[in-house]
Amino acid sequence: SQTIHQWPATLVQPVGSPLSLECTVEGTSNPNLYWYRQAAGRGLQLLFYSIGIGQISSEVPQNLSASRPQDRQFILSSKKLLLSDSGFYLCAWTRVRGGTNEKLFFGSGTQLSVL
Amino acid sequence: QKEVEQNSGPLSVPEGAIASLNCTYSDRVSQSFFWYRQYSGKSPELIMSIYSNGDKEDGRFTAQLNKASQYVSLLIRDSQPSDSATYLCAVRAGGYNKLIFGAGTRLAVHP
Repeated sequence: SQTIHQWPATLVQPVGSPLSLECTVEGTSNPNLYWYRQAAGRGLQLLFYSIGIGQISSEVPQNLSASRPQDRQFILSSKKLLLSDSGFYLCAWTRVRGGTNEKLFFGSGTQLSVL
Repeated sequence: QKEVEQNSGPLSVPEGAIASLNCTYSDRVSQSFFWYRQYSGKSPELIMSIYSNGDKEDGRFTAQLNKASQYVSLLIRDSQPSDSATYLCAVRAGGYNKLIFGAGTRLAVHP
């Protein structure tokens, strides 16, 4: 069966510090990978998605970047965090071969507080 | 811009009642629709998917889709306190299996 791992669970960082969040998927190959952010009391906003190694698409302009160095690894980064980067960050994946009916599954999330 | 709208709630229902959650979407060509449940501080959990007009039942949950009205709903029968959570409606938006989420409806089931 497929599992998705995301860490850390919580993170408190000062403004201006760097960020690296990591996500890995097990039990599947060539998944589509996604980073979502959920601000307090808000819906999920898609930040980045990737359909393959080194292929990253950004959905919104922001202070963050993403990378996919390996097939099942997805990393979210920032060089200098802003207060507005606080939120609940969720990594997610889907299979590719099922087409548009494929389901999206989430990791356990990282609660980031920038102070 | 493609949008998914939900009433933020809270929707309060007594235990054993039917909870009805609603969602509208703006992109007329959307084909895939999903309901997620999210407990406070946890990640969303997929509970239902629906792709064709009509009803789809899974246990106590029924999803309803009306593409002409751009409307999707979730019914929860025999509501339990453990159903108290935020329910997120999601719509497939374009290629690469990207989903657009509504802001969610908070459901409170009281004993």
